[in-house]
Amino acid sequence: KNEVEQSPQNLTAQEGEFITINCSYSVGISALHWLQQHPGGGIVSLFMLSSGKKKHGRLIATINIQEKHSSLHITASHPRDSAVYICAVRVVSGGSNYKLTFGKGTLLTVNP
Amino acid sequence: ETGVTQTPRHLVMGMTNKKSLKCEQHLGHNAMYWYKQSAKKPLELMFVYNFKEQTENNSVPSRFSPECPNSSHLFLHLHTLQPEDSALYLCASSLLDGDTEAFFGQGTRLTVV
Repeated sequence: KNEVEQSPQNLTAQEGEFITINCSYSVGISALHWLQQHPGGGIVSLFMLSSGKKKHGRLIATINIQEKHSSLHITASHPRDSAVYICAVRVVSGGSNYKLTFGKGTLLTVNP
Repeated sequence: ETGVTQTPRHLVMGMTNKKSLKCEQHLGHNAMYWYKQSAKKPLELMFVYNFKEQTENNSVPSRFSPECPNSSHLFLHLHTLQPEDSALYLCASSLLDGDTEAFFGQGTRLTVV
């Protein structure tokens, strides 16, 4: 079982809809990342958070450390939001080193 | 544009070839990473370099050989690869190998024939 589980695996929405992608993890973490990967392959970091909530434009990320759960919300979704959204958690890998463990990603398709 | 540049973007190589992937960043970061992304699988960490020193080798086969000549450049030397090594190879960098945001390159799509 992967240490990081995302749901849903695939999500199709109509333009304008409110979207939620969930991430659950089973290990102690120091931070959680939400990443966006477009079909070309490149990855862009959307958020890094260790508590509470962050907002950037139409994107909102929340994390509940006690429940080991994070959500990524997209308001007023647009076709250009279509991408794979990846949750990654930063865990201590030994000594002072850290390691990112990734979820499998959620493929979001927003139709016009 | 994230500031991390990978070349080439696409590479097709035979199993007996030797090739190298290149990554460079001029963001002033001191940690650099190689990741592998295979179809239907999560990103897998391969190597970590901190201040040019390798700090993690995630049980990667020796046919993958990393090199970090300075904090701005990272290479992945490839030789005698197998078809199952076909994947997207992503480079990333961060200020330090710690709780800092990582910046990813566009990746190199590798096909081994």
